[in-house]
Amino acid sequence: GAGVSQTPSNKVTEKGKYVELRCDPISGHTALYWYRQSLGQGPEFLIYFQGTGAADDSGLPNDRFFAVRPEGSVSTLKIQRTERGDSAVYLCASSPFVGRGGTQYFGPGTRLLVL
Amino acid sequence: AQTVTQSQPEMSVQEAETVTLSCTYDTSESDYYLFWYKQPPSRQMILVIRQEAYKQQNATENRFSVNFQKAAKSFSLKISDSQLGDAAMYFCAYRSGNTGNQFYFGTGTSLTVIP
Repeated sequence: GAGVSQTPSNKVTEKGKYVELRCDPISGHTALYWYRQSLGQGPEFLIYFQGTGAADDSGLPNDRFFAVRPEGSVSTLKIQRTERGDSAVYLCASSPFVGRGGTQYFGPGTRLLVL
Repeated sequence: AQTVTQSQPEMSVQEAETVTLSCTYDTSESDYYLFWYKQPPSRQMILVIRQEAYKQQNATENRFSVNFQKAAKSFSLKISDSQLGDAAMYFCAYRSGNTGNQFYFGTGTSLTVIP
C-alpha cells in the first residue's frame, strides 16, 4: 500500500514568510507525528496527534510553529515568520496505534531552506 | 528525557563483511522499545529492526541482528554479509512503553560499504 507522503519535497522561502508543510499518513493510521531533523542530527520530536487532537505538542520550539489535523488524516505543519534557524528537514510519521511501542512509519520529509 | 548515544559518527565495511554499530541509552524505565532505522540519501527513514525490552531474545531480521544488553543499556546492530545497498545513515531510537509516544533518536552513524 501507499506509504507516508509529504509535500512539498523541498521548500525555499525568505526570512519572515509563512510556510505550510503537508503530510498524508498511511490510510487508517490513527497516530501522526512531526519531527525536525537538523543537519548532522537525528530527528527531534515536535508534536503528535491521536486522531484530530494534538496529544502532545511539547516539542514545538515556540509559538511560531503550529500543526493541525482537522479530519484525523492529513496534517499540516505551519510556521509563521520563518527564521534562518528553522531550516531543516521536517519528517512526518504515522503509526497504526498509540502506545506500547507501535512502530512509526516515516515519510521522505520536506527540506525547508529559509534564506 | 531519555538520551540515546551513538558514539560512531562514521563506519566503513568491506562488501560481504560484517559490521557492528553501537548504541547506548539512558533510562530509568523498565518497559520500553528500541529501534534501528536506516536513512539513505533519499531521506526516507526505513525501519530495520525492533526490540522489545521485556524480551530477552535478541531480534533478527535476515542479515540484521541486535545485541541487546539491558543491564548495560546497550543496543548494537550487526549487519552481516554487507551489501552496497546497506550504505546509509543508521539511527538508533528509543520509545517508552509507559509514557509518551515520541521517539528519541541518536545522532546517527554513517555507514560506507566498500566494494
